[in-house]
Amino acid sequence: AQSVTQPDARVTVSEGASLQLRCKYSYSATPYLFWYVQYPRQGLQLLLKYYSGDPVVQGVNSFEAEFSKSNSSFHLQKASVHWSDSAVYFCALSDSNYQLIWGSGTKLIIKP
Amino acid sequence: DPKIIQKPKYLVAVTGSEKILICEQYLGHNAMYWYRQSAKKPLEFMFSYSYQKLMDNQTASSRFQPQSSKKNHLDLQITALKPDDSATYFCASSQEGQANSDYTFGSGTRLLVI
Repeated sequence: AQSVTQPDARVTVSEGASLQLRCKYSYSATPYLFWYVQYPRQGLQLLLKYYSGDPVVQGVNSFEAEFSKSNSSFHLQKASVHWSDSAVYFCALSDSNYQLIWGSGTKLIIKP
Repeated sequence: DPKIIQKPKYLVAVTGSEKILICEQYLGHNAMYWYRQSAKKPLEFMFSYSYQKLMDNQTASSRFQPQSSKKNHLDLQITALKPDDSATYFCASSQEGQANSDYTFGSGTRLLVI
């Protein structure tokens, strides 16, 4: 069955520190994978997406994600976080019907 | 300019009443969706429409009825409102038939049922 798992409901990092938000997927073929961000009281916005090619994908606001077929993962990373990165981050997979299957989200909290 | 307009932004309703949530998209997309977000479920898929036809319905209750009067509209009618319906309802759209087509979301309607 197709699924997306974000094992961490909440992640806390200090401002300026590096960040990794984990995403694991289950899908029989090569997936289309997405990361979305939701800032407080706003809708979701696309950060980046991957289908093929370079497994490291660059997104907005210096975010990047690395696809690993062997680990069935698509972790989101950032070298140095800013307080404005505080948000909820969702990982998603496009299924065979081109509909998105969503992870449960990870709330990112930035400590000053 | 917002590409997906949801109206109203905030809505307070009395238990048992009926409300309609409005969604219009100006992206030329052929697929539209409704999602619900609450403290209990971070992001819950409700409906998907393609070319104004219902493609998928994951909402158990018939009190939730999507309505598509135009190809760029997908409103959500909710009848016999209950306090448990309190949530933020998001509309989204995409270009159906393209696996790498990302979704564009509206800013949501926050519904409070008292």
